[in-house]
Amino acid sequence: DAKTTQPPSMDCAEGRAANLPCNHSTISGNEYVYWYRQIHSQGPQYIIHGLKNNETNEMASLIITEDRKSSTLILPHATLRDTAVYYCIVRVARSGGSNYKLTFGKGTLLTVNP
Amino acid sequence: NAGVTQTPKFQVLKTGQSMTLQCAQDMNHNSMYWYRQDPGMGLRLIYYSASEGTTDKGEVPNGYNVSRLNKREFSLRLESAAPSQTSVYFCASSEARGPLLGLYEQYFGPGTRLTVT
Repeated sequence: DAKTTQPPSMDCAEGRAANLPCNHSTISGNEYVYWYRQIHSQGPQYIIHGLKNNETNEMASLIITEDRKSSTLILPHATLRDTAVYYCIVRVARSGGSNYKLTFGKGTLLTVNP
Repeated sequence: NAGVTQTPKFQVLKTGQSMTLQCAQDMNHNSMYWYRQDPGMGLRLIYYSASEGTTDKGEVPNGYNVSRLNKREFSLRLESAAPSQTSVYFCASSEARGPLLGLYEQYFGPGTRLTVT
C-alpha cells in the first residue's frame, strides 16, 4: 500500500470548516483513499473513501487532486466532538491476503476549539 | 443493533496467565479482525478471519491464537501473557461493498485495555 504523510496536529475553531491534508505521492491506479478517525479512548470510526472523484457523505467531503497524489478531508462545520486523530489510509481495492488489513499511521490530531 | 461488542473492557493479568478476549458483531459481516494499539502508535493487525471457518495471521501474531466460533464471534487468546502484550485491543468487522470485493469499511468495537504486570 502507498505511504501517506499527514501533519501531526491541527487546530480549528468550532463552527468553521476543518481541512485535513494528506499526501500520497506514490499511490497507484488501483488504490483507494480512506479516512478514519479515532476519538480518545474509542475504536476507530470510518468516515469516507474515494478513488478519483470527490466524495461527500453526511460526515465529510473528500477532495482528491487530479493527479491523485494528495487529498483533503473537509469537515464543513467542526464541533467539539470532532476532536480526534484522523487517519488517511491508502489501500488496494481487492479481496484476499494483506488487502484485508488497514495500515494506520500516526494520523493528524485535530483539536476543535470553542 | 449494538454493532461490535468486546468483553472485557479492562483486564489486568500477571505474566504467564492466560485469557481470552471476546468479540461479537450483529451486522452479519463475513470478515472480522483483531488489532492492537500501543500508546502513541497506529493499529497493528494481529489476526483476521476473512470468512467463517478461516483465520490468517496479520502483522504481529506471535503470542496469540484466535478462534472464529461462528459468523458472529471471533475470540483472541493469550496463552501465556507477557508485559509486551500490554496494549489496547480492538476487534473489527467488515463486509464487501460494491462490485469490487476489497472495498471494506471496517467497524470497530470499543476496545479492551489489557495490562500485563
